[in-house]
Amino acid sequence: EVQLVESGGGLVKPGGSLRLSCTASGFTFSSFSMTWVRQAPGTGLEWVSSISSTSNYMYYAESLEGRFTISRDNAKNSLYLQMNSLRAEDTAVYYCARDNRIAVAGNYYYYHMDVWGKGTTVTVSS
Amino acid sequence: DIQMTQSPSSLSASVGGRVTITCRASQSISRYLNWYQHKAGKAPKLLIYAASSLQSGVPSRFSGSGSGTDFTLTISSLQPEDFATYYCQQSYSIPHSFGQGTKLEIK
Repeated sequence: EVQLVESGGGLVKPGGSLRLSCTASGFTFSSFSMTWVRQAPGTGLEWVSSISSTSNYMYYAESLEGRFTISRDNAKNSLYLQMNSLRAEDTAVYYCARDNRIAVAGNYYYYHMDVWGKGTTVTVSS
Repeated sequence: DIQMTQSPSSLSASVGGRVTITCRASQSISRYLNWYQHKAGKAPKLLIYAASSLQSGVPSRFSGSGSGTDFTLTISSLQPEDFATYYCQQSYSIPHSFGQGTKLEIK
């Protein structure tokens, strides 16, 4: 069964750090880009960060202001999100998702997140 | 950054009915548009990718259309399990932004 399971969420004080993990199973993890998406209470989905299959490329939402780092370990089928200098506005459910793609032409692809985890909750509060 | 705007923000409909949700991009995104369904406490679910391609396993009552800046998601013959929040997302350029969501409720 194709599956993603997040872990590492919890309660942390403002200014603290947390490392989220996402463990993949049922597919060749090293063949796919991966993405983190979050949902703050009462709001919609927000794209956070993506990483290419071989970690050559990492992308981040500007709102993170360099506080988060995405990484992966293909040998462990795992994706990570290191979150530093946490703020109350980082409180959210964090989802990891698999980026699948369909070729359009040349080096262009239609990317879409076709497998999602159930999320892990991060609460930043004193 | 590309801004995605959905309308309406919420709507009520009856089982068996038909609904259309609109998504507008702040610039042309060709067909780089996905639709997701999200229920509280669950993982989001991909419904449509590349504007109109139905994800495997998704019922055919879901359909998507559009290109450029204007897109629609249509659900025909609503079923009880379809009441959820729906999001569009562009994958044309980073950041792959989402619309604000459309909450579909039972009338």
